Amino acid sequence: EPEVTQTPSHQVTQMGQEVILRCVPISNHLYFYWYRQILGQKVEFLVSFYNNEISEKSEIFDDQFSVERPDGSNFTLKIRSTKLEDSAMYFCASSEEIGADTQYFGPGTRLTVL
Amino acid sequence: AQKITQTQPGMFVQEKEAVTLDCTYDTSDPSYGLFWYKQPSSGEMIFLIYQGSYDQQNATEGRYSLNFQKARKSANLVISASQLGDSAMYFCAIGYGGATNKLIFGTGTLLAVQP
Repeated sequence: EPEVTQTPSHQVTQMGQEVILRCVPISNHLYFYWYRQILGQKVEFLVSFYNNEISEKSEIFDDQFSVERPDGSNFTLKIRSTKLEDSAMYFCASSEEIGADTQYFGPGTRLTVL
Repeated sequence: AQKITQTQPGMFVQEKEAVTLDCTYDTSDPSYGLFWYKQPSSGEMIFLIYQGSYDQQNATEGRYSLNFQKARKSANLVISASQLGDSAMYFCAIGYGGATNKLIFGTGTLLAVQP
């Protein structure tokens, strides 16, 4: 069964460093998303991406964040200068269609900022 | 503003019994979808079940069913014949039709299945 994959599973970084989180969405899906979950809290939407551009972003997704689809399979989230409060689980998700369509989540990348 | 409320922070259920996890939502959009995801202790988010706002019948997927009461804006998850492996955090979420495609999640319910 096709699934969303994410690498790395765990990333530890120093405050101020850049990190890139990688995702491979399900191959026939056209819509891609990033969410984050701070430990013990609910899952929060960061950004959605379609046709090589951001379709929607949340207030959390400020200038420190960027997304890219560098090739036909990968979807990346870059945090330019990490802060302590960026420590969280980051989930990538993809869906076949827009709107109220099922989003399938990857296993997540746990980011720890020291 | 769109909102999802899960009022049960934690629930216990005996193995083989049924359990209902509550979810209410608030939206003025006529077209939306309601989703339940399971998050075991390992951390991944597993899709369980989906209910569209225009669906006439309640959704079912194996042991999972969604008790959708549109007028009351509730979308409760029913797990029948609970198993030890059902112990996990359960999140209710709402998504929308049209160009808005983010999911808004509730705070979750931690379910513990006891032998």
